[in-house]
Amino acid sequence: AQKITQTQPGMFVQEKEAVTLDCTYDTSDPSYGLFWYKQPSSGEMIFLIYQGSYDQQNATEGRYSLNFQKARKSANLVISASQLGDSAMYFCAMRDNYGQNFVFGPGTRLSVLP
Amino acid sequence: DSGVTQTPKHLITATGQRVTLRCSPRSGDLSVYWYQQSLDQGLQFLIQYYNGEERAKGNILERFSAQQFPDLHSELNLSSLELGDSALYFCASSVSGFAGNTIYFGEGSWLTVV
Repeated sequence: AQKITQTQPGMFVQEKEAVTLDCTYDTSDPSYGLFWYKQPSSGEMIFLIYQGSYDQQNATEGRYSLNFQKARKSANLVISASQLGDSAMYFCAMRDNYGQNFVFGPGTRLSVLP
Repeated sequence: DSGVTQTPKHLITATGQRVTLRCSPRSGDLSVYWYQQSLDQGLQFLIQYYNGEERAKGNILERFSAQQFPDLHSELNLSSLELGDSALYFCASSVSGFAGNTIYFGEGSWLTVV
């Protein structure tokens, strides 16, 4: 069965520094997609970045990059140059072709300190 | 703006009542997903539809039902409401159900049962 683990319930980072949010996953399907979403206090879920299981390079989107280590089944999100507006819950998610549905981890609450 | 529209944004109702949440997916998206987010349960997958047909089912209670109409909009019906049903209900959509397709979320419907 699909499973996503995020071991950091909460993280603090100083403004302008980089931070890594951990995500490990479990699937037996060789074809899968990994996603990160941001949920600010207002509640909406904002798509940040996607990594496909067959992608050769790590995904990047602006200040977001995904550190994909397939053998370790990890897909960590790296946020560079943190901003106060980055304070939010961050969810790692996965979908494979077996499960069809989209499985989310429990989330990490990031607080950016001025 | 993700392009996924959910109504109503906020809803307060009494125990035992029935409510309907409505979702319009992004233009061109055939898959619709419903999720429930409560404080103690995290983000729980409820059900997925693809082009009008139920594709996957998660932890959806028997008191809840959903459907996707020919114009691809979807409705989630919640009946015999209990206090524990108070949550943020998300609709999300994607082009299809394949692993690489990103899911985009609506802003959610906040349901409070009193």
